Amino acid sequence: GAGVSQSPSNKVTEKGKDVELRCDPISGHTALYWYRQSLGQGLEFLIYFQGNSAPDKSGLPSDRFSAERTGGSVSTLTIQRTQQEDSAVYLCASSRHVDRPYYEQYFGPGTRLTVT
Amino acid sequence: GQQVMQIPQYQHVQEGEDFTTYCNSSTTLSNIQWYKQRPGGHPVFLIQLVKSGEVKKQKRLTFQFGEAKKNSSLHITATQTTDVGTYFCAGPLQPIIQGAQKLVFGQGTRLTINP
Repeated sequence: GAGVSQSPSNKVTEKGKDVELRCDPISGHTALYWYRQSLGQGLEFLIYFQGNSAPDKSGLPSDRFSAERTGGSVSTLTIQRTQQEDSAVYLCASSRHVDRPYYEQYFGPGTRLTVT
Repeated sequence: GQQVMQIPQYQHVQEGEDFTTYCNSSTTLSNIQWYKQRPGGHPVFLIQLVKSGEVKKQKRLTFQFGEAKKNSSLHITATQTTDVGTYFCAGPLQPIIQGAQKLVFGQGTRLTINP
């Protein structure tokens, strides 16, 4: 079946502009996660959704970052007034809800954001 | 806060040599997951370990979960060029919410191979 998809794959924006990054999780996956990966670095957790609610927003770097999820499916990560330090690959992942407490995450290809 | 540390950060081997990466958590983990990220790619789930002292094998890859459930290792026997990439371990951040788990990732071990 189809995996996690993200769009756009690449985004170049000017400092100060707003950007929206989109994630389409695997159909039926109830949990959705956003991560950020800077060049050659590990994964930095940003936010996750269980259904449409976000129990934990503690990873968002600043109030310029926000995310929403509608219909238990598509999620949008919005960065307002982008700064150069926001340049990174933004990865989305989803996991399914089954009757066990441990869920492997399936990652999308990422959106490479470059702020000039 | 909860941390997951991984060593080494980089490892370069000759093709055919073995490779091991180690993962240590500051807290006891309910489970640990391993992911592989090829150059230019995205992380791909490899395996999940749940039980204390658990050992799982996938062909040339051997995964171990420590008795105290605070450390884990990934060992690759006789590396091949297809093994190139960055290997990440990840453990859940407590508390685990039913239906989802927030993962804390190690910094990863980047494996390069000389053919």
